[in-house]
Amino acid sequence: EIVLTQSPGTLSLSPGERATLSCRASQSVSSSYLAWYQQKPGQPPRLLIYGASRRASDIPDRFSGSGSGTDFTLTISRLEPEDFAVYYCQQYGTSPLTFGGGTKVEIK
Amino acid sequence: EVQLVESGGGLVQPGGSLRLSCAASGFTFSSYAMSWVRQAPGKGLEWVSGITGSGYSTYYADSVKGRFTVSRDNSKNTLYLQMSGLRAEDTAVYYCAKDPYGPNRYYYMDVWGKGTTVTASS
Repeated sequence: EIVLTQSPGTLSLSPGERATLSCRASQSVSSSYLAWYQQKPGQPPRLLIYGASRRASDIPDRFSGSGSGTDFTLTISRLEPEDFAVYYCQQYGTSPLTFGGGTKVEIK
Repeated sequence: EVQLVESGGGLVQPGGSLRLSCAASGFTFSSYAMSWVRQAPGKGLEWVSGITGSGYSTYYADSVKGRFTVSRDNSKNTLYLQMSGLRAEDTAVYYCAKDPYGPNRYYYMDVWGKGTTVTASS
C-alpha cells in the first residue's frame, strides 16, 4: 500500500500568514489522485482539494493544491481564524485508499 | 441536500458485536460507492471498508478482515457495517462517506456523516 507522510506534524502560525503543508508518498500516486481534507475538533473531515489541485465546491481560493508523483503541497495563502485545524492528505490512485497522519495548523 | 446520518454506535465488551447504519438522503444512493472510515481517539483517519453501488464488490482493511461485514440496502438508502469480535483497538468514531463519481471504484470522499462512536471496553 502507498504510505503518505505529512510534514510538519504541527505548524504554528499567526492569522494572515501563509501555510505550506507537505504530503509525500512512498510511491508515485497515479494520475495525481490526491485529495486534501480539513478537520476541526468534533467534526467530520471536509473535502478541500481533489485531483491534487482542484478545489471542491465552496472552498475559498486561498486554499490551493499542487504537486505530482510523490510530492504534494497544500498552501493556504493567508490564514483566517477558521483555518486553524488538522489537515489530511489521501491518495486514491491505488487500492487501498490511504491517508496521511495529518498536519495540525495552530495559532502561534 | 445530500446527507449521511450514522447510528448504532455504543459501548460493547471486547469480543462483542455491533451493527452500524448510515441513512443516506438527497442523492441516488445506488449510483455511488460508499465507504466506512474510522478515527481512533486522538489519531488519524483509516479506510476500513468500501462497497460498490450494486453491493457486489467489497473492500476490507487487513485490520478488520474476517470480523467486519459491509452491506447496503439500496431500497432503503442505507449502508451497514456489521462488526463482530470487537477489540479495544476498534474503539473509534466511525464515519460513512460517499464517493463523488459513481458506483464501481473508490476515489475520495465528497460527503461525510457526523460519525458514530464505538467503544470496545470492559
